[in-house]
Amino acid sequence: SQQGEEDPQALSIQEGENATMNCSYKTSINNLQWYRQNSGRGLVHLILIRSNEREKHSGRLRVTLDTSKKSSSLLITASRAADTASYFCATAGRGSNYKLTFGKGTLLTVNP
Amino acid sequence: GAVVSQHPSRVICKSGTSVKIECRSLDFQATTMFWYRQFPKQSLMLMATSNEGSKATYEQGVEKDKFLINHASLTLSTLTVTSAHPEDSSFYICSAKKAGESYEQYFGPGTRLTVT
Repeated sequence: SQQGEEDPQALSIQEGENATMNCSYKTSINNLQWYRQNSGRGLVHLILIRSNEREKHSGRLRVTLDTSKKSSSLLITASRAADTASYFCATAGRGSNYKLTFGKGTLLTVNP
Repeated sequence: GAVVSQHPSRVICKSGTSVKIECRSLDFQATTMFWYRQFPKQSLMLMATSNEGSKATYEQGVEKDKFLINHASLTLSTLTVTSAHPEDSSFYICSAKKAGESYEQYFGPGTRLTVT
């Protein structure tokens, strides 16, 4: 089964608007992470939320986690053109192997 | 900081040849490194987990004899694609986990491999 399914697959908004991306997963997790990838580049870690946390903030980012629904959301407030990128959620399962399972990602386009 | 580099960034090779990709943690020690493959507009697929000084652990369906991984030091892991074929063309990304730190992975910029 596919862990970390994001929706929408693509999102296009205007600068200044908020962007919300969702992620669902299927198995128990230790934590869930959000990453950003600019086209053809590596990934940048944005935020990590542990399974016992419900909400976390970092600058313009707000992440929520609902373990009962096995879902998470990433909110980017006051978006900028520079936020244009693909955003992936990744889940780390329970155990000590530290492996991450990535979702398919949401391509966010912020129009100036 | 936590910077991971990959070399080369792009490589074109002919079918049947082997290609080595290096992943280095520049300012920290990485006991564990991960190798991923990413197809265009798709997600990252974990290929293998590389632990310093021991054999890599490969994910199901990944041929260990085709994708040779060596993690000889705490700052360097290499992925060698042996006898490359056009279907091996892809974007290969490595990541590294800091020794003692949990779960956060630091990613390299990726290597675009094209096999002709």
